[in-house]
Amino acid sequence: AQSVSQHNHHVILSEAASLELGCNYSYGGTVNLFWYVQYPGQHLQLLLKYFSGDPLVKGIKGFEAEFIKSKFSFNLRKPSVQWSDTAEYFCAVIGDTGRRALTFGSGTRLQVQP
Amino acid sequence: GAGVSQSPSNKVTEKGKDVELRCDPISGHTALYWYRQSLGQGLEFLIYFQGNSAPDKSGLPSDRFSAERTGGSVSTLTIQRTQQEDSAVYLCASSLASGRATDTQYFGPGTRLTVL
Repeated sequence: AQSVSQHNHHVILSEAASLELGCNYSYGGTVNLFWYVQYPGQHLQLLLKYFSGDPLVKGIKGFEAEFIKSKFSFNLRKPSVQWSDTAEYFCAVIGDTGRRALTFGSGTRLQVQP
Repeated sequence: GAGVSQSPSNKVTEKGKDVELRCDPISGHTALYWYRQSLGQGLEFLIYFQGNSAPDKSGLPSDRFSAERTGGSVSTLTIQRTQQEDSAVYLCASSLASGRATDTQYFGPGTRLTVL
């Protein structure tokens, strides 16, 4: 079975600060990794995903994530956050075999103060 | 619009009643998923449809929950004899291709279910 851990439950940053949200997964085989974002009052949207190739993945709105296989991690980063990045961020995984549904982490609520 | 749509957006019901939640996936998407988002459990998978294959029901929490997908498009999630712990936001997602793990799942706005 696969699982995802997001250790930061609530992060508060000032505008222009750098962001790193942790994500660790547990799965014995090849994984596909995703970061989704949920802005206040909006539906879940894909930020970025990794399934193969360059472990540094760039997504929308200046976000990037790095897959480190040896650490079972897929941390999300942004060099300079904006107030509009206030949202909840979810890391998710699908293994290459078995169930095709996403297994989500518990989410990290990011609050950016102007 | 071209996104996933769900109805109703909000549903308030009394304990013991049955409810039906509807999902219209993006046109042409062959895979359809139901999840629910609740305070206590986070985002959890319920059921997955892929084309004409038998659905993966492994996430359904009890036999009070069922879902069907008619004509490979619209899906209905039914909860019988609702309980207060069923209160949650029920999310539907769809994806384009034949169940590849790399496919992006596109989410709808959800149905907020409140069981009194």
